[in-house]
Amino acid sequence: AQSVTQLDSQVPVFEEAPVELRCNYSSSVSVYLFWYVQYPNQGLQLLLKYLSGSTLVESINGFEAEFNKSQTSFHLRKPSVHISDTAEYFCAVIANSGTYKYIFGTGTRLKVLA
Amino acid sequence: NAGVTQTPKFRVLKTGQSMTLLCAQDMNHEYMYWYRQDPGMGLRLIHYSVGEGTTAKGEVPDGYNVSRLKKQNFLLGLESAAPSQTSVYFCASSYELPGINEQFFGPGTRLTVL
Repeated sequence: AQSVTQLDSQVPVFEEAPVELRCNYSSSVSVYLFWYVQYPNQGLQLLLKYLSGSTLVESINGFEAEFNKSQTSFHLRKPSVHISDTAEYFCAVIANSGTYKYIFGTGTRLKVLA
Repeated sequence: NAGVTQTPKFRVLKTGQSMTLLCAQDMNHEYMYWYRQDPGMGLRLIHYSVGEGTTAKGEVPDGYNVSRLKKQNFLLGLESAAPSQTSVYFCASSYELPGINEQFFGPGTRLTVL
């Protein structure tokens, strides 16, 4: 079985400052890893994903995440945030074979302050 | 291309009443999912379907039933609503090979059970 931990429920940060949202997972098998973003009153949207290959993955709007197998982490970073990045961010994992079930973290609410 | 749509967007029920939530997707996806989202708990899988005519239980199936009579529709039913079912419900769909293919989410249904 897999599990996902997002230790920070809320992260306030000033505009143009860097941010890191933490995600740790546990699994006895290889997994795929995802970050989803949820803007207020909307559904979730895929931000980026790690399937294999390069451990650093990037999104089109400046976010990046690095898969660290030894630390079982997949932290999300952005060097300079904008007000429009205010949203809730969910980390998710799925075993890379034999299941259709995603496991989601409890979410981190990013609040960008002017 | 509407993507994933959910009806209704909001609903208030009294304890013991029944209702059906409808999810529709126009992307010819094989897999469809129903989640509930509660504060501090992330998304939890209620039921899912791997194709027309199939359904399977997820993490929290009690009190819910589902049907997938047509490939594009996935219905979630509450036969006798309880206050514990107050939540935001999200439908999602994906092509085959979940994990490799991202999930697309609907906008959600906010349900209150009094």
